Amino acid sequence: KAGVTQTPRYLIKTRGQQVTLSCSPISGHRSVSWYQQTPGQGLQFLFEYFSETQRNKGNFPGRFSGRQFSNSRSEMNVSTLELGDSALYLCASTGGRRNTGELFFGEGSRLTVL
Amino acid sequence: KQEVTQIPAALSVPEGENLVLNCSFTDSAIYNLQWFRQDPGKGLTSLLLIQSSQREQTSGRLNASLDKSSGRSTLYIAASQPGDSATYLCAVTAGNMLTFGGGTRLMVKP
Repeated sequence: KAGVTQTPRYLIKTRGQQVTLSCSPISGHRSVSWYQQTPGQGLQFLFEYFSETQRNKGNFPGRFSGRQFSNSRSEMNVSTLELGDSALYLCASTGGRRNTGELFFGEGSRLTVL
Repeated sequence: KQEVTQIPAALSVPEGENLVLNCSFTDSAIYNLQWFRQDPGKGLTSLLLIQSSQREQTSGRLNASLDKSSGRSTLYIAASQPGDSATYLCAVTAGNMLTFGGGTRLMVKP
């Protein structure tokens, strides 16, 4: 059974650009959540999607947005990139037939903003 | 607002030692608590999940306990090995939101 897949794994952008990250959940999982990890702030919750609807949102500016498609794949977008957006972005999926609430994470997308 | 704290922030032990990692949370109205392992530059690997109605979970050399009333969880690692070196994170789920602790960086020396 394939795990959570995130693409791209690494990317470099410059200030002011925008970026889109993709997450494919484990087959059968309907919930996808996104997190930002930085050395200074640790792991912070961005948002969570379930059945194409955003259920929860963390305390991030409107430049951070996301969406979920009918096949449960999710994308997050960051517009007008700032240096402080450099981070490891992780997505996790949960749900499925035996929904215990256990989260399964992808390897992450490492974003560097120059 | 839920706050999760992990102590110690870093730990170095010789191979073979039994060790305990601590996690505390401020709001006891949690749905579950999960322990993860993270290797440098990698994603998170789920180790143990404890539902709010449970007191402990075990997997191999790992045992996690949960005391909701005191807002604490511990992760016990028996007979530590160099391959256990990683950052260990606990996270609590409450109201469909997940809050992480800052992690404990573990180094097991051969």
